[in-house]
Amino acid sequence: DAGVIQSPRHEVTEMGQEVTLRCKPISGHDYLFWYRQTMMRGLELLIYFNNNVPIDDSGMPEDRFSAKMPNASFSTLKIQPSEPRDSAVYFCASSPGGRGDSPLHFGNGTRLTVT
Amino acid sequence: AQRVTQPEKLLSVFKGAPVELKCNYSYSGSPELFWYVQYSRQRLQLLLRHISRESIKGFTADLNKGETSFHLKKPFAQEEDSAMYYCALLTGGGNKLTFGTGTQLKVEL
Repeated sequence: DAGVIQSPRHEVTEMGQEVTLRCKPISGHDYLFWYRQTMMRGLELLIYFNNNVPIDDSGMPEDRFSAKMPNASFSTLKIQPSEPRDSAVYFCASSPGGRGDSPLHFGNGTRLTVT
Repeated sequence: AQRVTQPEKLLSVFKGAPVELKCNYSYSGSPELFWYVQYSRQRLQLLLRHISRESIKGFTADLNKGETSFHLKKPFAQEEDSAMYYCALLTGGGNKLTFGTGTQLKVEL
């Protein structure tokens, strides 16, 4: 099992450009989470899905951020237009049950740099 | 609103010294708390959860509802314990984890 797979590992882009981050959860996991990690704010939950349906997007910072899960094996997080303050590491995680007693399985993250 | 506070961004201890990583929470419901760890060049992973009352890699954490704390402790730090540690609170009807800002533990020789 390769675990949660995220791509790309690193992304450098200019302000104003569109950025798309990708995630493949572990097969059979019904829950998918997108987190953002920064030094100042730590790990922040942006949005999570259950069975491909967005359940809670209250953590999405602005309308510039959007996330989709067209099927059980793929999700995207898009930022359009990107800004320097979006620079962070973005993690995708999946879970079989959604509850904390079913631990989150994290991907390696995508390090985004917006110049 | 739920909140997890980890007051220390960096904690540096010598090998063999006791370690305590602080975590305080704010939550109106019945809390379920966890510690996650991220070793260098590895994925973030679950270390332990309070409901199982287990010791993992020598670490323990006791939920203190009176003090709303869930501090992570280890009596003798090892070099391999150097990592980023996150305390997390289960909320949202049991469907999402709210993380603290993390504490970087550095164990020096």
